[in-house]
Amino acid sequence: EIVLTQSPGILSLSPGDRATLSCKASEILRNIYLAWYQQKPGQAPRLLIYGTSTRATDIPDRFSGSGSGTDFTLTISSLEPEDFAVYYCQQYFGSPRTFGQGTKVEIK
Amino acid sequence: QVQLQESGPGLVKPSETLSLTCSVSGGSLRTYYWSWIRHPPGKKMEWLGYIYYSGSTTYNPAHRSRVTMSADLSKNQISLRLTSLTAADTAVYYCARAGAGYDGGWYVSYFDVWGHGTTVTVSS
Repeated sequence: EIVLTQSPGILSLSPGDRATLSCKASEILRNIYLAWYQQKPGQAPRLLIYGTSTRATDIPDRFSGSGSGTDFTLTISSLEPEDFAVYYCQQYFGSPRTFGQGTKVEIK
Repeated sequence: QVQLQESGPGLVKPSETLSLTCSVSGGSLRTYYWSWIRHPPGKKMEWLGYIYYSGSTTYNPAHRSRVTMSADLSKNQISLRLTSLTAADTAVYYCARAGAGYDGGWYVSYFDVWGHGTTVTVSS
C-alpha cells in the first residue's frame, strides 16, 4: 500500500498569503496519478487538481500543483477567504487507492 | 450536473450489516466507476472499492471479505453492503465517481464527483 504523508498538519495564514502544502509518497508515483481535493465543513470533497498539475473544471488559477517521484506540492498563490479549508492528496497509481491525512489551512 | 446522494441508517449495532445506497441524478451510471470511500473520525479517508456500471468490482483487500457493492442501472443507484460491523467502522461514508484513463493500459482515475456523505455510527 502506498502511504501518503501530508505536511504541515495545520497551516495558519492570512488572506493574501501564499500557501504551500506538501504530500510525500512512500514509493515513486507516475506523475499523472496524484490528485488534490478541498473539503469545507459539512460539504463534499471537491476535486481541485488531477494528474499532479491539471486544474479541474472551474478551479481558479491561484491553485497549482507540481511535483514528481515521491514529492508533490499544492500551492495557493494568494489565499482568498473561501480557500480556508482542509486539503487532501490522493494517489491513483497503486491499489488500494490511498489518501493523505489532510492539511488544514486556517485563518491566522 | 451530476449529483450523488448517500442514504442509509445512521446507527447500527455491532456484528450487524450496514446497507447504504447512493442515488445518482443528472447523469448515468454508464461508462463510469463508482466508489465508496469512508472517513473515520481522526483517521485518513479510506477507499473501500469500485464498481463499474456493468457490475464488475474491485475491493480494498483490507475489507474484501466484508464488502459487497452492486449497481442498479434502472434506479441509477449503487449500493454498499458491509458485514460484521465493529466500532472501527464508524465513519462518514461517501460515494464518488471516477473515470477511466489510458496510459498504455486502462486505469481507474481520480474522483471527480462526490456525495455529501452519510454518518454511520456503530454502537449498541
